[in-house]
Amino acid sequence: DIQMTQSPSSLSASVGDRVTITCRASQGIRNDLDWYQQKPGKAPKRLIYAASSLQSGVPSRFSGSGSGTEFTLTISSLQPEDFATYYCRQHNSYPLTFGGGTKVEIK
Amino acid sequence: EVQLVESGGGLVQPGGSLRLSCAASGFTFSDHYMDWVRQAPGKGLEWIGRTRNKARSYTTEYAASVKGRFTISRDDSKNSLYLQMNSLKTEDTAVYYCARVDHSGCFSLDYWGQGTLVTVSS
Repeated sequence: DIQMTQSPSSLSASVGDRVTITCRASQGIRNDLDWYQQKPGKAPKRLIYAASSLQSGVPSRFSGSGSGTEFTLTISSLQPEDFATYYCRQHNSYPLTFGGGTKVEIK
Repeated sequence: EVQLVESGGGLVQPGGSLRLSCAASGFTFSDHYMDWVRQAPGKGLEWIGRTRNKARSYTTEYAASVKGRFTISRDDSKNSLYLQMNSLKTEDTAVYYCARVDHSGCFSLDYWGQGTLVTVSS
C-alpha cells in the first residue's frame, strides 16, 4: 500500500500568511494526487486535482505542485475562511489512501 | 446541480448489519465511478471502496479494513449507490460519505454527499 505522509499535522498562522503543506508518498505516484479542504461538520471539498489543477471556483490563492513522491499545497495569503483541515489523497493505486490531514488554526 | 444524499445510518450492535444508500441527482449517474469514504469521530478520512461503471462491468475495489465485510453496489436505474455493511465492529463507527469520481481522467472526488453517521455500540 502507498503511505501518504502529510506535514505538519497542524499549524497556527495569521491572516495574510503564506502557508505550505507537504504530502509525501511512499512510492512514486506520478501526479495522481488531490487536495481536499474540510471544515468542521462538513463534507470535504476538492481544491486541487492532478497535483496542480485548481478546482473551478476555488480562489487562486490556493495552488498545488509536485510530482512523483513529494507534493505541496500552498495558500499564498491565508484568509479567515481558509481555517480548516486539509487532506491529500493518492489515486495511483489501490487501496487509495489519504494523508493524515493538516489542521490550519488561527494564530 | 449535482447532489448526493446519503441515508441509512444509525445505531447498530457489534456483529450487526446496516445498508447505506446514496441518492444521486443532477448528473448522469451511470457514467461515473463512485466511492465511499468514512471518517471516524475526530479522525481523518479513510477511503473504503469504489464501484466502477457499467462500461467497466461494475467492478469494485475495497480497503483491507472492510474487504469481505462490506459490499458496494449500485442501481443505475434508480441513480443510487449502496454500501452493505456486515459483521460490524466498534471501529466501523464513523460518518460515511459517498462521493462522485471525476471521469475526466483525473479520478479525483469532485462531489461529496453530506454524510451519514453509523454508530456501532452495544
